[in-house]
Amino acid sequence: GAVVSQHPSWVICKSGTSVKIECRSLDFQATTMFWYRQFPKQSLMLMATSNEGSKATYEQGVEKDKFLINHASLTLSTLTVTSAHPEDSSFYICSARGPGTILTLNEQFFGPGTRLTVL
Amino acid sequence: KNQVEQSPQSLIILEGKNCTLQCNYTVSPFSNLRWYKQDTGRGPVSLTIMTFSENTKSNGRYTATLDADTKQSSLHITASQLSDSASYICVVSGSGYSTLTFGKGTMLLVSP
Repeated sequence: GAVVSQHPSWVICKSGTSVKIECRSLDFQATTMFWYRQFPKQSLMLMATSNEGSKATYEQGVEKDKFLINHASLTLSTLTVTSAHPEDSSFYICSARGPGTILTLNEQFFGPGTRLTVL
Repeated sequence: KNQVEQSPQSLIILEGKNCTLQCNYTVSPFSNLRWYKQDTGRGPVSLTIMTFSENTKSNGRYTATLDADTKQSSLHITASQLSDSASYICVVSGSGYSTLTFGKGTMLLVSP
């Protein structure tokens, strides 16, 4: 149980175009999903928290107009990188907060990641 | 400021050998600590999760320990295999639905 998928697994796009990445919780409902970015040999950096039916909460320094997040259902959140530039090339990972228990509150299940390369 | 520090940054061991990875944290209040394995180009996969009342937790050849007093945790890998080559990330959660604090990970390479 608690499987999270991402699509696509990798994408190459031209500078100036937009790219949409999907994150799905396959076997549980997730009212909260998270989007992370990871650069080579670095830790995961939280970009934003996505709540179903409401606006996403962005971390400091993350441009909300550039990284559009939509969480329209309890099993799907999308991240759209608008007007992508080479510096946006990174590994994007989503996670979904599981149903959890009192002891495992706040447990997150991670997707397999999406490698974005902007030429 | 909440921080998680891991050591060593990288490690090379021979197949079949054991190794221990370290994690020190300053997250407060503390709720639980998790160890994840992240293969290159993949998302993190949970190995163990421990609350403040747990001292040790095993998952196959992986054994995690936690000392909530000194705010230290370790991950011991027994009889390493080539497939253990990955980054191992220590993640600490504060109380409630607080943001997770990630360590930078230890890159482990198991050599034949």
